[in-house]
Amino acid sequence: QQQVKQSPQSLIVQKGGISIINCAYENTAFDYFPWYQQFPGKGPALLIAIRPDVSEKKEGRFTISFNKSAKQFSLHIMDSQPGDSATYFCAAVNFNKFYFGSGTKLNVKP
Amino acid sequence: DVKVTQSSRYLVKRTGEKVFLECVQDMDHENMFWYRQDPGLGLRLIYFSYDVKMKEKGDIPEGYSVSREKKERFSLILESASTNQTSMYLCASSLDAGNYGYTFGSGTRLTVV
Repeated sequence: QQQVKQSPQSLIVQKGGISIINCAYENTAFDYFPWYQQFPGKGPALLIAIRPDVSEKKEGRFTISFNKSAKQFSLHIMDSQPGDSATYFCAAVNFNKFYFGSGTKLNVKP
Repeated sequence: DVKVTQSSRYLVKRTGEKVFLECVQDMDHENMFWYRQDPGLGLRLIYFSYDVKMKEKGDIPEGYSVSREKKERFSLILESASTNQTSMYLCASSLDAGNYGYTFGSGTRLTVV
């Protein structure tokens, strides 16, 4: 049973548009929610993360929105660029155990 | 920056072979992890280690074992490789139990024929 459900599986966005990736979880014990970005041939790299005591975190063009009551969180990429084309993974963490979503392949068209 | 180095980028092995995947980190991290990555399934935890000579099973340990003789090195062992173990294998490390900052290696793409 997958602990973290991620959607969509793939996403095509025009340059300058907003990319939105969603994740949902069930276990209320999770206390850390990171997003990872993975380029082909590379390992995932931490992009941005949030703890459940805040509803939003913004770093540059990347924003996490967190809805504790709905047990959902999402990544928004504003002004999407072709260089943002990558696979994005959400994760939920408890006691240093990471549970990853299945990944979203983002393609930003020029 | 922490560097996590996986010894091989690509490996091709035969069914039944014993396979060793090596991972080394250079920042004295306590925790090390092995994941496999498959399309549509995301990253699944195979084994992890919180200390030297210590190991714990993850979600999919069957067919795998690990070794951590030194703090900086964490090895994944496929005792008898099978075709369903063809996958991308990722090693990660983090500082300690309270620090959730993972650093991943670049991965080893293993093909078992």
